[in-house]
Amino acid sequence: DAGITQSPRHKVTETGTPVTLRCHQTENHRYMYWYRQDPGHGLRLIHYSYGVKDTDKGEVSDGYSVSRSKTEDFLLTLESATSSQTSVYFCAIKKGEDYGYTFGSGTRLTVV
Amino acid sequence: AQSVTQLDSHVSVSEGTPVLLRCNYSSSYSPSLFWYVQHPNKGLQLLLKYTSAATLVKGINGFEAEFKKSETSFHLTKPSAHMSDAAEYFCVVNTGGFKTIFGAGTRLFVKA
Repeated sequence: DAGITQSPRHKVTETGTPVTLRCHQTENHRYMYWYRQDPGHGLRLIHYSYGVKDTDKGEVSDGYSVSRSKTEDFLLTLESATSSQTSVYFCAIKKGEDYGYTFGSGTRLTVV
Repeated sequence: AQSVTQLDSHVSVSEGTPVLLRCNYSSSYSPSLFWYVQHPNKGLQLLLKYTSAATLVKGINGFEAEFKKSETSFHLTKPSAHMSDAAEYFCVVNTGGFKTIFGAGTRLFVKA
């Protein structure tokens, strides 16, 4: 998707290992978000950022941490991956409150 | 409490016939409303948004939606379905700040 890239696109990892997903934007937007998408649950907000070093928790933040040291990068870390964290993870950016999101293409994470 | 309800989990239409995807919302505030589309293995893409300007909003790919405050609805329509419209559609409410609520999604099937 234009202006926002996620890496990796696919990852398989073992239970108990740490995992970091990266979101990179070239739009210079202030707001960045991490969502997970699961069947039957829709999209759920994990963490969001409203500026460099300014982050906050969403509705499903347990087991996840984030960092934003630069405007363009927002990292999501699973501290010790569990099978319940198998999901598709989407990063999104937004210019402002009344603007829509621009979503990345997603990272499909499987924890075995 | 804020909420968004997509009234149909699945909608099936024939190519060339009209599309209607229904969305009702509940909000204590004057909301911003959005429709997104998600094709398989892709991120969500913004179709259109309502932010208290004109109540009839035109979006991309021939879609439009009408905000009806009295009915608390924001239904998505298209006069003539195309095979490429087959996807999942999400109605989204932004109720202020970082509070965004995603509907559960409506999967649109288009028959040849």
